Amino acid sequence: SQTIHQWPATLVQPVGSPLSLECTVEGTSNPNLYWYRQAAGRGLQLLFYSVGIGQISSEVPQNLSASRPQDRQFILSSKKLLLSDSGFYLCACLNRQGGISNYGYTFGSGTRLTVV
Amino acid sequence: AQKITQTQPGMFVQEKEAVTLDCTYDTSDPSYGLFWYKQPSSGEMIFLIYQGSYDQQNATEGRYSLNFQKARKSANLVISASQLGDSAMYFCAMRESNQAGTALIFGKGTTLSVSS
Repeated sequence: SQTIHQWPATLVQPVGSPLSLECTVEGTSNPNLYWYRQAAGRGLQLLFYSVGIGQISSEVPQNLSASRPQDRQFILSSKKLLLSDSGFYLCACLNRQGGISNYGYTFGSGTRLTVV
Repeated sequence: AQKITQTQPGMFVQEKEAVTLDCTYDTSDPSYGLFWYKQPSSGEMIFLIYQGSYDQQNATEGRYSLNFQKARKSANLVISASQLGDSAMYFCAMRESNQAGTALIFGKGTTLSVSS
């Protein structure tokens, strides 16, 4: 089964500082990977997804970027954080071999980012 | 337009009672999947139940069942015999077959509080 490692668990960063959140996947190959953000008490907003190495699609234009340097590694970055970047960031994975009936989404444990 | 609508920001129920969490969705894709996730205060996303658009029967998983009414585009989650540990945020999500990257689209969630 798939396992997602996500770190750090919590992060407090000043406005204007850079950000790098890392997500790595075990137990599958060539997965679809996703970054979601959840603002306090809100739903999950899809930020980026990747269907392969170097392939990144952005769903919402913002102060963030994503990269996929390796098959099982997905990185969320920012050059200069804003207060509005605060939230709970979740990495998720779908086994690409799954069909529409495959409910094989796995989520990481999340990173709680507070920008001060 | 919102694709997943959860109209109940919060629900309150007593232990051992059943509770229904509402979810309506909007899609023109004939092939799609509907999911429910539980998010306790720790933030992890726990998969509860899945319903495919072509499934003839309502999905059930232990105390969870999904009341799927395709013509009304609703996919309500029913929790029978509520327990204190059911207190959490619950998200309805959808995946469309033609959704780029096969990403999940989430509703805003419903906070369920179970009291003794």
